[in-house]
Order: sequence, then structure tokens, then C-alpha cells
Amino acid sequence: DVKVTQSSRYLVKRTGEKVFLECVQDMDHENMFWYRQDPGLGLRLIYFSYDVKMKEKGDIPEGYSVSREKKERFSLILESASTNQTSMYLCASSETGAGANVLTFGAGSRLTVL
Amino acid sequence: AQSVTQPDIHITVSEGASLELRCNYSYGATPYLFWYVQSPGQGLQLLLKYFSGDTLVQGIKGFEAEFKRSQSSFNLRKPSVHWSDAAEYFCAVGALNYGGSQGNLIFGKGTKLSVKP
Repeated sequence: DVKVTQSSRYLVKRTGEKVFLECVQDMDHENMFWYRQDPGLGLRLIYFSYDVKMKEKGDIPEGYSVSREKKERFSLILESASTNQTSMYLCASSETGAGANVLTFGAGSRLTVL
Repeated sequence: AQSVTQPDIHITVSEGASLELRCNYSYGATPYLFWYVQSPGQGLQLLLKYFSGDTLVQGIKGFEAEFKRSQSSFNLRKPSVHWSDAAEYFCAVGALNYGGSQGNLIFGKGTKLSVKP
């Protein structure tokens, strides 16, 4: 089974702190994604990546950046956390080609910014 | 632009009753369609997907969905609901080359299912 692991399930940070959310997948998938989930808004795409050192903005990239130095790891970075970034963050991965839209998700990282 | 609408925010059914969750999409061509389920505090798990072919697709946990092009719908059904089906359900649409991206999905806002004993 494809496994997507988000190392931090729950985080509490203070306004202005730099926050790193880590995601690792073990199935050699090319594509990786970061979504944000908020009640009543569903899932919104923040950033995605097709390959190492490659990134593309999603629908809501403001206030976020990403890093993909290795194929299996995709990090989401909040340079200066703000209270409106309190949310559930979901990482996902998929292969290329016909399976590109079949996303496998991690368990999520719930971030609270005080 | 692509979009997905799930008209029902919250549905309650009795255990053993049948279930239908509605999903409508907006997309210019034949879409790739998905249903995911999310248990409380967990990530999303794929229930089923439609790419092409037979418009009635079977998924895990006894779920099925039917693609109706004329209605732009992809409703999820289960003949008999179990208490363990209580969760949030998300419909999604994707395309290989949406906005130049590969593999992106557009999600509906979700339908929360409660199951009465």
C-alpha cells in the first residue's frame, strides 16, 4: 500500500513563528500536493510538485512556500505563521500518467496558531 | 472553470437504510470523477473512481456511484448503511491537464453523514 506520512499530527505555534510541515511518501510517486481543509470550505490546493525541485502554485499559495529536495519528501513552510493559517493540512501524492489523479492522502496535520 | 457541488452539507440516515449522496460537477469534457471518505481526525481515503467505460462503478465498503453525463452528476449510493459509515464524504473532479497541472483535483465542500442506531 502507498503510504503518505505526515510527521506532525498536531502542532501549536505562536503568531510570527516559522512552521515546517513535513510529508514523506514511500511509493516513488512523482506528484505531491499540499491541501488545506477548513469547515465549510472543503479542500483547497496550496502548492503541488511534479518532480524534485519543481513546484507550482495552487489556488491559495499566499503565506506559504514549499520545498522538494528529494522525490519522497515535500515540505510546506509557513514563513511567519498567522492565526488565519490555523487549519488542517493534508499532504497527498500520485503517480504520473493515467494514475495522476488518484491521490493518496496522509492523515493530516492540525495546526493551531495562537 | 471546473467546479464540484455537493448540495447536502449534512445527512442523517438510520442504520440499515439506503443512502444516496449527491454530486454535480462542471467541466467541459469527460471528467475524471472520484469519491473520497474522511473519518474524524483522519486523511481522505479513496472510495471509487470513474475514468471511462461503464457508468456504474463499484468501490470499497459496498459503495457504488453512477456517472450521468446528461445531468452532470456522480451520485454515491449504498443499499444498507452501517454505523461505521458515519464520516464526511467528498466528491472530486480531476483532469490530466487542468490549468497546466497534472493530477490536480477539485473537491466539493463535503457531505457529513450521521447514522442513527
